[in-house]
Amino acid sequence: GAGVSQTPSNKVTEKGKYVELRCDPISGHTALYWYRQSLGQGPEFLIYFQGTGAADDSGLPNDRFFAVRPEGSVSTLKIQRTERGDSAVYLCASSLSHLKTDTQYFGPGTRLTVL
Amino acid sequence: AQSVAQPEDQVNVAEGNPLTVKCTYSVSGNPYLFWYVQYPNRGLQFLLKYITGDNLVKGSYGFEAEFNKSQTSFHLKKPSALVSDSALYFCAVRDRGDSNSGYALNFGKGTSLLVTP
Repeated sequence: GAGVSQTPSNKVTEKGKYVELRCDPISGHTALYWYRQSLGQGPEFLIYFQGTGAADDSGLPNDRFFAVRPEGSVSTLKIQRTERGDSAVYLCASSLSHLKTDTQYFGPGTRLTVL
Repeated sequence: AQSVAQPEDQVNVAEGNPLTVKCTYSVSGNPYLFWYVQYPNRGLQFLLKYITGDNLVKGSYGFEAEFNKSQTSFHLKKPSALVSDSALYFCAVRDRGDSNSGYALNFGKGTSLLVTP
């Protein structure tokens, strides 16, 4: 079956611009996660959705970052006033339910470059 | 607080030899532990996880890992390495608690595995 998909695969923007990154989870998965991976590092947690609501947004670095999941499926990560330090690969993952034993399945990521 | 350490940035092994990629963790209570693999320009692929029960966990592509509570380790192993196993490997821990936080995976920095012919 189809895995987690993310669009675009690459995004280049200029400092100060606004960007949106999209994640389409595995069909039927109720839990969705966003992570950020900088070069040479492991993924770092940003936000977790259970259904439509953000159950844990403690990883968002500041108020320039926001994410939504209005219908409990597709999610959009929004970054305002981008900075060069936001350059990274943004990974989305989904899991079947809210159980902590569930496996998270990752998408291919969106590589964001802020010039 | 929970954390994961992967003490080796790179592991080199000859094809056909056994391989070990090390992972140690620090968490209050008992953890859930995961291994993922990342090939160049691709997302993370799930290999295996420890939830409960048998300390030896078998996963995809012939990989296995052993949960050692006394040493707080979860090393990834394979009896006979393949060149195609060359990739970046990440260990991750998740809080077992019931709080609304701790759903995230906490990843190590990763270990680059190079298998030479």
